[in-house]
Amino acid sequence: AQSVAQPEDQVNVAEGNPLTVKCTYSVSGNPYLFWYVQYPNRGLQFLLKYITGDNLVKGSYGFEAEFNKSQTSFHLKKPSALVSDSALYFCAVRGLNYGQNFVFGPGTRLSVLP
Amino acid sequence: EAGVAQSPRYKIIEKRQSVAFWCNPISGHATLYWYQQILGQGPKLLIQFQNNGVVDDSQLPKDRFSAERLKGVDSTLKIQPAKLEDSAVYLCASSLGGTGGLYEQYFGPGTRLTVT
Repeated sequence: AQSVAQPEDQVNVAEGNPLTVKCTYSVSGNPYLFWYVQYPNRGLQFLLKYITGDNLVKGSYGFEAEFNKSQTSFHLKKPSALVSDSALYFCAVRGLNYGQNFVFGPGTRLSVLP
Repeated sequence: EAGVAQSPRYKIIEKRQSVAFWCNPISGHATLYWYQQILGQGPKLLIQFQNNGVVDDSQLPKDRFSAERLKGVDSTLKIQPAKLEDSAVYLCASSLGGTGGLYEQYFGPGTRLTVT
């Protein structure tokens, strides 16, 4: 069965510091991996995805994520956090084997402190 | 480009009543998803459509939930009868292309359902 873990419910970081939001997954076969962000009173928005190719993918608002197959991880990163990055972040995986579909993690709340 | 539209935005019903949610995806998006997001959890996929056909409804509680996408555009999700544990936000999302999940999803604002 597919699963996604986001081991931290909450991440606090000071503005200007680098941030990391962790995600690990379990699927059969190769995965498609996604990060979405949910701002207060707004719908989920796509940030970035890994499909194939370069393990480091770049996305919206200066975010990037690194696919690590051996560690089955897809951590979200940003070199310099902004207060406006404060939101709820979801990692999602889709296995490519038959019968697999999208599974979202429980979410990590990021707070960037001024 | 208009986004994914959902209505109503909020709904309060009593248990054992029925309720329906409507979704209009982004024009040209062949794939449509319905998710259930319980407070404090990530979205859980209920059903995926490709045009007007069901691709995956393995997690849809079919004894009480039903969904359709008759003309391959708009979709409705119905709950009958509702239970207390159905209280959640129901999200609709759409994406380009085929059933493989290659493309990112665009989410609507959701319908917040409260069952009392």
